[in-house]
Amino acid sequence: DTEVTQTPKHLVMGMTNKKSLKCEQHMGHRAMYWYKQKAKKPPELMFVYSYEKLSINESVPSRFSPECPNSSLLNLHLHALQPEDSALYLCASSLGTVNSPLHFGNGTRLTVT
Amino acid sequence: AQSVTQPDIHITVSEGASLELRCNYSYGATPYLFWYVQSPGQGLQLLLKYFSGDTLVQGIKGFEAEFKRSQSSFNLRKPSVHWSDAAEYFCAVARSRDNYGQNFVFGPGTRLSVLP
Repeated sequence: DTEVTQTPKHLVMGMTNKKSLKCEQHMGHRAMYWYKQKAKKPPELMFVYSYEKLSINESVPSRFSPECPNSSLLNLHLHALQPEDSALYLCASSLGTVNSPLHFGNGTRLTVT
Repeated sequence: AQSVTQPDIHITVSEGASLELRCNYSYGATPYLFWYVQSPGQGLQLLLKYFSGDTLVQGIKGFEAEFKRSQSSFNLRKPSVHWSDAAEYFCAVARSRDNYGQNFVFGPGTRLSVLP
């Protein structure tokens, strides 16, 4: 069982919709991450939160808006997405030190129609 | 810049056969190296990690990996593959990012198929 929980598992949305992806961890980790993964590709980093502050934004379009309400929760707000944004969105957490591994959730499969 | 290469896009082995997945990295300092496995439609699960010390590290599910600095390699091995090992395998190197958490650089992945 994964210790990082993501909801929903699947999401279908139109290009004018607004939706949110949610991620929760209770391992006491201080760093949380959003990754995007296209089919047959490795995960691509989108955002990093460290101690609830946004520390890394990998030049992600503004139609993706992250939020970290507290140290256990991470949201990704979606608005006016494009079909090419369809992908598996993975949340991860870690202790935040350079040698600490990432713990991934099972992801949200997003389809934009 | 750091990079990770996995020369084999797809490998097929028979159940019970041995397995070696290759990983080469480019990194100036001592690397922090990881192997992850991803089953279809799932997240990534950590198999093992290397920071320092013994160059042969043991992981979960019977996997091991050997760090060879002279070859810049961190190859993953398993003596006897099970059908449930069929998945995508990612090698990764971690580095710090200006004291704001670490960043992982993932290799392109190797897809493992297992024949009965």
